[in-house]
Amino acid sequence: NAGVTQTPKFRVLKTGQSMTLLCAQDMNHEYMYWYRQDPGMGLRLIHYSVGEGTTAKGEVPDGYNVSRLKKQNFLLGLESAAPSQTSVYFCASRPTRAFPVLTFGAGSRLTVL
Amino acid sequence: SQELEQSPQSLIVQEGKNLTINCTSSKTLYGLYWYKQKYGEGLIFLMMLQKGGEEKSHEKITAKLDEKKQQSSLHITASQPSHAGIYLCGADRGTSGTYKYIFGTGTRLKVLA
Repeated sequence: NAGVTQTPKFRVLKTGQSMTLLCAQDMNHEYMYWYRQDPGMGLRLIHYSVGEGTTAKGEVPDGYNVSRLKKQNFLLGLESAAPSQTSVYFCASRPTRAFPVLTFGAGSRLTVL
Repeated sequence: SQELEQSPQSLIVQEGKNLTINCTSSKTLYGLYWYKQKYGEGLIFLMMLQKGGEEKSHEKITAKLDEKKQQSSLHITASQPSHAGIYLCGADRGTSGTYKYIFGTGTRLKVLA
């Protein structure tokens, strides 16, 4: 039972490069979320999804795109990486609207040079 | 500024001391969730508070919700090194079709043995 799996765990990019972070959950959860964590800022919501084929903006969506083509996967894309996007990214999921507890992945550390 | 502000930002205590972490919301709180993050790992759910005045305890950790003040507190009694980590409060902002789940600014706790 893997829970929420994020890949890759570490990545170094140059400014302007693109990349995709993958979040996969095997719990048949409807809701999925992407957050970024920066020192002193806690977790900030980037984008989220309330079901397959849906996405919505969070608190800090600029510079990111997401897709939820399959229920179990939630992809976070950076089209043109900037140093300000250096951060630790966390994916989380929850079963339904009625269940308010999130299950988190272990995080993906991204450095943009 | 973020909707959920935590204080203090960081805390260093001697083992055996009590401590309190606060979470203040700029909007009405309908529920508040506490999570803990061990350094370098994902978040683990601790407790949920869903009613004004509610108080919950688990082992040496007690959380309270004051809806009128839009605040929650997390109190640790007789702290131990195992309590070290980052504590985050979270709120489900789902209203009128939006289902944002946001987090506070975080409190980093260090317990000295």
